[in-house]
Amino acid sequence: DIQMTQSPSSLSASVGDRVTITCRASQSISNFLNWYQQKPGKAPKLLIYGASTLQSGVSSRFGGGGSGTDFTLTISSLQPEDFATYYCQQSYYTLRTFGQGTTVEMK
Amino acid sequence: QVQLQESGPGLVKPSETLSLTCTVSGDSISSSSYYWGWIRQSPVKGLEWIGSVFYSGNAYYNPSLKSRVTISVDTSKNQFSLRLDSVTATDTAVYYCAREHTVAISHLDNWGQGALVTVSS
Repeated sequence: DIQMTQSPSSLSASVGDRVTITCRASQSISNFLNWYQQKPGKAPKLLIYGASTLQSGVSSRFGGGGSGTDFTLTISSLQPEDFATYYCQQSYYTLRTFGQGTTVEMK
Repeated sequence: QVQLQESGPGLVKPSETLSLTCTVSGDSISSSSYYWGWIRQSPVKGLEWIGSVFYSGNAYYNPSLKSRVTISVDTSKNQFSLRLDSVTATDTAVYYCAREHTVAISHLDNWGQGALVTVSS
C-alpha cells in the first residue's frame, strides 16, 4: 500500500497567517494528489486535485504544489472559516489512500 | 448540482451484514465520467477507501476488505449500494458515499453527508 504521511499533525495559527501543510507519499505518485478540507460533523470537501488544480468554487487563497513524493498545501492568508482538518489523498494506485490529517487550530 | 445521500441501519450486530445505499440526485449514475465510491472514517483508522463501482457494474475494492465487501449499482434507481459481511466492532465508522471524477486525475468531488454505523450487540 502507498502510505501518505502528513506533517505536522496539528498546528496553531492566527487569522492572516500563511500556513503550509506537507504530504509525503511512500512511492512516487506523479501529480495524482488531492487535498480535502473537513470540518467537525461534515463530509470532506475537495479543495485541490492533480496536486495544484483548484476545485471550482474554492477560494484562491488555497494553493497546492509538488510532484513525485512531496506535496504541499498552502493557505496564503488564513481566514476564520479555514480552521479545520486537511487530508491529502493519492489516486495514482487503484487502492486509494489518505493521509492521517492535519488539524489547523486557532492560536 | 449533484447530491448524494446515504441510507441504511445505524446499528448492526456483530457477525451480521452491513448494508447501505447511496441515492444520487442531480446527475446520472450512468455517466462514463465517474465511478461511485464508498469511504469510511473512524478515530482509529482515519479515512479508509472501501471501493468504487462504475455504472456497468465493474467494481474494485480495498484488498483488506475485498473478501467481505460488495459494491453494486442500480441504474434504474440512480443508486449504488455497499454490502459488508461478517462485521465486527472495528467496522464501526461513519460511512460516506462519494462521486469519483475519473477524467485526468481521479478525485472525489462530491460526498454524501455520511452515515454513522455502529456494530454492537
